Amino acid sequence: DAGVTQSPTHLIKTRGQQVTLRCSPKSGHDTVSWYQQALGQGPQFIFQYYEEEERQRGNFPDRFSGHQFPNYSSELNVNALLLGDSALYLCASSSWTGGASNEKLFFGSGTQLSVL
Amino acid sequence: AQTVTQSQPEMSVQEAETVTLSCTYDTSESNYYLFWYKQPPSRQMILVIRQEAYKQQNATENRFSVNFQKAAKSFSLKISDSQLGDTAMYFCAFTGTASKLTFGTGTRLQVTL
Repeated sequence: DAGVTQSPTHLIKTRGQQVTLRCSPKSGHDTVSWYQQALGQGPQFIFQYYEEEERQRGNFPDRFSGHQFPNYSSELNVNALLLGDSALYLCASSSWTGGASNEKLFFGSGTQLSVL
Repeated sequence: AQTVTQSQPEMSVQEAETVTLSCTYDTSESNYYLFWYKQPPSRQMILVIRQEAYKQQNATENRFSVNFQKAAKSFSLKISDSQLGDTAMYFCAFTGTASKLTFGTGTRLQVTL
């Protein structure tokens, strides 16, 4: 049983470019959440997708957008990249709890994004 | 808004010894979960232990146990019989009525021979 898979593992972009990160959830999961982990910090919640809709959003600008596909996989898009967007981007999958507290998140190994 | 504070940026412990990592949190919610996650160099967040706020009994998972003090909003992790494989970043995290995790800034644990 494959866990949460993310691609690519590493990515280098320049300021102003756009980037797309991908995530496949653990088998049986229908909800995907994205987190940004800056160097030396804990992960911060970006947003959550269920039934192809954004259900919850953290304090991130509109440059950060996402998508969920019918097979539950998800993409994170970041436009107009800034140096400060350099971070590890983690995807977590779970079963939908109606937006309520969820104790069972499974994480991928992340995509390390470097913006030059 | 919820906050999670880890006041120990780095800790060191000798193999086979016991170490305690500290965490405090702030919330106005009454129903929530608390977690300790381990992040080794592979970067994947691995769940170590979880605690449900409504349970008074402290959670235990093999060599890992917590000291949950709800009134003090404290949630520390005790690692007994430390092993070299325990070397990692450890994050305390909270989830309340919304299904998102709020993390602390982490504690880097080094287990030495």
